[in-house]
Amino acid sequence: DQQVKQNSPSLSVQEGRISILNCDYTNSMFDYFLWYKKYPAEGPTFLISISSIKDKNEDGRFTVFLNKSAKHLSLHIVPSQPGDSAVYFCAASDTMNYGGSQGNLIFGKGTKLSVKP
Amino acid sequence: DGGITQSPKYLFRKEGQNVTLSCEQNLNHDAMYWYRQDPGQGLRLIYYSQIVNDFQKGDIAEGYSVSREKKESFPLTVTSAQKNPTAFYLCASSIGRADGGYTFGSGTRLTVV
Repeated sequence: DQQVKQNSPSLSVQEGRISILNCDYTNSMFDYFLWYKKYPAEGPTFLISISSIKDKNEDGRFTVFLNKSAKHLSLHIVPSQPGDSAVYFCAASDTMNYGGSQGNLIFGKGTKLSVKP
Repeated sequence: DGGITQSPKYLFRKEGQNVTLSCEQNLNHDAMYWYRQDPGQGLRLIYYSQIVNDFQKGDIAEGYSVSREKKESFPLTVTSAQKNPTAFYLCASSIGRADGGYTFGSGTRLTVV
């Protein structure tokens, strides 16, 4: 059973417009969330994160919003650029799980973003 | 510069042969992980290790084995028991807390013919 879901396998947007990538989770114990970006044949790289004590975190063109009641988070990219074309993975963690797996991240299946010039 | 290195980038093996993928980090991270990526499947956890000489099975450990004899190294062996070994394999390391995030290697593409 998937604990982290990215229901849109792909998203296409025009350069300069906003990209919104969505992620839903089922485990109410998750308290830390991250977004990773991955280019083909490369490892994912960290983009932005948010703790459950916040509902928004911003870093330049990237903003992550967290809605705990809906168990939903989203990544906004404004303005979108062709270099943003990649697969974006949402990840979540239960940082208080001391059963040996604290620190482990649960990943969604990813959303492939294409930004057209 | 600190980082995590996977080698080789591309690996070809005949069916029925075991093969070992290398993962080395000089970040002084305690935890290390192996993931497999298949099209449409995202990142699936194979094995992880939170400390030297200890490791745990992930979601898809069957047909794989690991060792963690040194903090810096976490090699993955793909055995002949793995039914669909052709995939992109990613190694990652972390300080062992989620707010530290993961640092990923650049991956190894394994093709079994």
